[in-house]
Amino acid sequence: DAKTTQPPSMDCAEGRAANLPCNHSTISGNEYVYWYRQIHSQGPQYIIHGLKNNETNEMASLIITEDRKSSTLILPHATLRDTAVYYCIVRVGVEHNFNKFYFGSGTKLNVKP
Amino acid sequence: GAVVSQHPSRVICKSGTSVKIECRSLDFQATTMFWYRQFPKQSLMLMATSNEGSKATYEQGVEKDKFLINHASLTLSTLTVTSAHPEDSSFYICSASLQIGTLGSNQPQHFGDGTRLSIL
Repeated sequence: DAKTTQPPSMDCAEGRAANLPCNHSTISGNEYVYWYRQIHSQGPQYIIHGLKNNETNEMASLIITEDRKSSTLILPHATLRDTAVYYCIVRVGVEHNFNKFYFGSGTKLNVKP
Repeated sequence: GAVVSQHPSRVICKSGTSVKIECRSLDFQATTMFWYRQFPKQSLMLMATSNEGSKATYEQGVEKDKFLINHASLTLSTLTVTSAHPEDSSFYICSASLQIGTLGSNQPQHFGDGTRLSIL
């Protein structure tokens, strides 16, 4: 079962920052948070992941609260091509040497002109 | 970056046919791959974990005799939908991740582009 909750949908104006929240209140100390997005009829695309420090890459920034019970994905300048379903995932199976993902419902981000 | 290739991208076939879907890791070795299915307007549902050289492990409620998984090499896993029926029509997606070989690896999964299966 997914260990995360996200709002079902959000709107964002083109060119503005999109801030997508995620709650993962039952996260364990050594579990990472991963963000993916899925554009219609494609496989999920990896965006970013982190443990407890804020992370940034060419696609987005990830802000994780100090208690690690929630995080926010930030797309600094949203474009129409960023319209997608965004999934926040906490891996399951830390005892194994692989990640096992259970997807929640995600957030449908609608970027509007 | 890591690339996962899935083939075919779309299959249309008659009821009762068995369909094989391939998942390849193109530039890395993956001892573990995953298979998901996704119905329209729903999220991805994990079906099974494919382990190279051993039996796959299936999620609760997934019929292992219906969905045969073979992971014969470090770069290839196959999913065969046996005797497919219209209710098996779905979007099937595979994934794989780089593995460092240590417990608690944090490597992300990389997904294929999916296979749209339509059973008439």
